[in-house]
Amino acid sequence: QVQLQQWGAGLLKPSETLSLTCAVYDESFRGYFWSWIRQPPGKGLEWIGEINHSGVTNYNPSLESRVTISIDTSRNQFYLRLSSMTAADAAVYYCAKAPQNTPRNWGQGTLVTVSS
Amino acid sequence: DIQMTQSPSSLSASVGDRVTITCRASQSIGTYLNWHQQKPGKAPKLLIYTASSLQSGVPSRFSGSGSGTDFTLTITSLQPEDIATYYCQQSYITPQTFGQGTKVEI
Repeated sequence: QVQLQQWGAGLLKPSETLSLTCAVYDESFRGYFWSWIRQPPGKGLEWIGEINHSGVTNYNPSLESRVTISIDTSRNQFYLRLSSMTAADAAVYYCAKAPQNTPRNWGQGTLVTVSS
Repeated sequence: DIQMTQSPSSLSASVGDRVTITCRASQSIGTYLNWHQQKPGKAPKLLIYTASSLQSGVPSRFSGSGSGTDFTLTITSLQPEDIATYYCQQSYITPQTFGQGTKVEI
């Protein structure tokens, strides 16, 4: 059973860049897309983007100008960077294994707060 | 983007009740519809994929149906551990989008 463990800074100031890491255990990157999804406090889920083992990415157009998702297959890790953070970006951020656009396995989530 | 609309937004039911949640897509998505369960403070968990396929390990009291634009998640006999928020999600086209959620309470 694949496991995803994520980490990164949980408190940012406005205009800073969010950096999160998701480590994948007991699973190969090959053949799947790996996603980032976020959930503002008390609200619903928003897909941020995805990457496959070859580095092919797809992003949500609403965030595309600020998002970079990358991958390191040698470490079995993938990454999220979201620039120019504002209070509207405060959320729990999840990584997920998502073949065929279907999140099947989720990380534990990282709460990100944006405050000066 | 495809808009996903769930109803109701919340419901209260008793243990043993049959519970039905509906999800409507703003355009046809075939059977590219998934259901996720999220308990408070936890990550979502996939219950149903491609509208009606039960994810491994999910109790058989959960079932899904529908195609095109209208979908249903049914819990045949509600259990206390089913207290959660349920989200539909379309996997037909990028960006994948989620419904606003249905909170199930006892």
